Amino acid sequence: DTEVTQTPKHLVMGMTNKKSLKCEQHMGHRAMYWYKQKAKKPPELMFVYSYEKLSINESVPSRFSPECPNSSLLNLHLHALQPEDSALYLCAGGRGGSERAFFGQGTRLTVV
Amino acid sequence: QKEVEQDPGPLSVPEGAIVSLNCTYSNSAFQYFMWYRQYSRKGPELLMYTYSSGNKEDGRFTAQVDKSSKYISLFIRDSQPSDSATYLCAIQTSGSRLTFGEGTQLTVNP
Repeated sequence: DTEVTQTPKHLVMGMTNKKSLKCEQHMGHRAMYWYKQKAKKPPELMFVYSYEKLSINESVPSRFSPECPNSSLLNLHLHALQPEDSALYLCAGGRGGSERAFFGQGTRLTVV
Repeated sequence: QKEVEQDPGPLSVPEGAIVSLNCTYSNSAFQYFMWYRQYSRKGPELLMYTYSSGNKEDGRFTAQVDKSSKYISLFIRDSQPSDSATYLCAIQTSGSRLTFGEGTQLTVNP
């Protein structure tokens, strides 16, 4: 069982679509993360929320828009994506001063 | 120089072998070190977490940190086919930022 739940597991969207990825955790993580992972590559950090405030934005294009409605939820809004944005999008929660991260199973996104 | 370096392999071993996976890092100020296991098409799973030099053991897994050499290792004893996965080292490099190595793809052959 994972402490972090992501929906949907799979998503196919056209370049003109708007969609959202959702992430939920109930373990009291104070930090939540979005990572992007391409095939055979390590996860790349996109955004970090700390206490529901955006603390790190890794110069991600504006077609990706994060949102943290409360301490349990994290969304990633997608608009006008490109085929090269196809990847596994991972949400993670962190707890403790060390911020070790616990990952969800990811959303596999395909942009057509 | 990359902050975290890991040999991507691939690494193939027979069942029962001892596996050694390694990463080096650039900044002696880094304190928190993690190993993740990732099966194909799944999210990374936290295996081991250490914050000091020395060894930490959990079942068949041992994590080792050598801060003087800026070198971390993961050893898997009595490797099983179910251990076949990609192993990623990760280091907290600043604030809430985790930086990953490239990952080593491991295959354990029956």
